[in-house]
Amino acid sequence: AQRVTQPEKLLSVFKGAPVELKCNYSYSGSPELFWYVQYSRQRLQLLLRHISRESIKGFTADLNKGETSFHLKKPFAQEEDSAMYYCALSRSGNTGKLIFGQGTTLQVKP
Amino acid sequence: KAGVTQTPRYLIKTRGQQVTLSCSPISGHRSVSWYQQTPGQGLQFLFEYFSETQRNKGNFPGRFSGRQFSNSRSEMNVSTLELGDSALYLCASSLAGAPSTDTQYFGPGTRLTVL
Repeated sequence: AQRVTQPEKLLSVFKGAPVELKCNYSYSGSPELFWYVQYSRQRLQLLLRHISRESIKGFTADLNKGETSFHLKKPFAQEEDSAMYYCALSRSGNTGKLIFGQGTTLQVKP
Repeated sequence: KAGVTQTPRYLIKTRGQQVTLSCSPISGHRSVSWYQQTPGQGLQFLFEYFSETQRNKGNFPGRFSGRQFSNSRSEMNVSTLELGDSALYLCASSLAGAPSTDTQYFGPGTRLTVL
């Protein structure tokens, strides 16, 4: 069965510090991986997907198939990055279904 | 353009009752997915509809059902409510439901409380 694990419930860093939100997955095939973010009082929204290999709001994530990981990184955290972050996985061809991790709350302190 | 809307935003029901939740997708989106969010289980996929057909289904009992109308609006129904059904129910719409190319846009959710 497919599973997504985010080992940290809460990650607290100071402004300007590097951030790494961890995500590990279990899936024997070729996964499609995503990071979703939910800011306070806002809806869940897509931050980035691995297939795009893009940087959004300074965040990047690299798919490491050997370690089955998709960690989210940002070199310098900003206070506005404080939010709940969810890692999600989809199987190729598995329409409309995302498997989410439990989420990590990122708290950026001034 | 208008985002995904869900009605009602809050619901209180008692055990044994049934409930219907509604989701209006973004104009032009034909895929609607439903998720249940609870503190214990997190976000779990319920089902996905595309062009009025259920295309994908999660691991939930038959008490959970849904449908989609020709205008892509979707409803989900939960019959014989149990205390454990208390949750935030989210719907998400996308153009065609293909995660690698489509983005799922989430609604604000319906908070269901079962007493």
